[in-house]
Amino acid sequence: GQNIDQPTEMTATEGAIVQINCTYQTSGFNGLFWYQQHAGEAPTFLSYNVLDGLEEKGRFSSFLSRSKGYSYLLLKELQMKDSASYLCAVRDSNYQLIWGAGTKLIIKP
Amino acid sequence: SQTIHQWPATLVQPVGSPLSLECTVEGTSNPNLYWYRQAAGRGLQLLFYSVGIGQISSEVPQNLSASRPQDRQFILSSKKLLLSDSGFYLCAWGPLGEGQETQYFGPGTRLLVL
Repeated sequence: GQNIDQPTEMTATEGAIVQINCTYQTSGFNGLFWYQQHAGEAPTFLSYNVLDGLEEKGRFSSFLSRSKGYSYLLLKELQMKDSASYLCAVRDSNYQLIWGAGTKLIIKP
Repeated sequence: SQTIHQWPATLVQPVGSPLSLECTVEGTSNPNLYWYRQAAGRGLQLLFYSVGIGQISSEVPQNLSASRPQDRQFILSSKKLLLSDSGFYLCAWGPLGEGQETQYFGPGTRLLVL
C-alpha cells in the first residue's frame, strides 16, 4: 500500500528554526509537495521537489532524498503566522497526489 | 489567472437529507477536478476526480456521488446524508501534472450533519 508519515504535532519558539520530516512509500514517484494549511482554511502550495537536494524559497526550504523516501520542510526565523498544519504529498505513478495526515506546528512567543 | 469557487461556505444538514455542493473554476480549460474530504484534525481523503466532462472516478465507496456537467463545474451530491459525512469538503483543480504543476484548492465547505 501507499503510505506517507509525518509527526502529528510539533512546537517551536518564535524566531527559531524547525524541521518537519516526511517519509513515504508510494507506487512510483513523480514529485513531492509541501502545503500549508491554516485552521479552517484550504491548503496552499508551498514547495515542490522532484530531484534530490534542497530547494530554497525565502524562509522556507524543502529537501528530498528519493533513495531514502524522505523529505523535510525547514522553516527559519519562525513567526507567529507560521502556526499552521503542514501537509506532505507525493505524486505517484498515476500522477495522483497521496497525502500525509499533516503536522500541526505550534509557535510559542 | 485561475480562480476556484465553492459554495456554500458552511452547511448544517439533518441526517437523511440530500446534499449538493458546487465547485467552479475560472481562467483555465479542461482542468482535472477533485473532491476531497478532511475530517477534523485529519489528512485529505480523495473522494472523486474528473479528467473531463462526464468522466468521474471514485476513490472511496460511499453514499456520495459526483458529476461534471460542464468543463469547469464539479458537483458533489448525496441522496441521504449520514452523520459520518460531516467534514471539510475541498474542491481542487490541476493539470495532469508533470513538473511543478500541482493542485490548487477552493475555500472549502464545512458540512455538519446532525
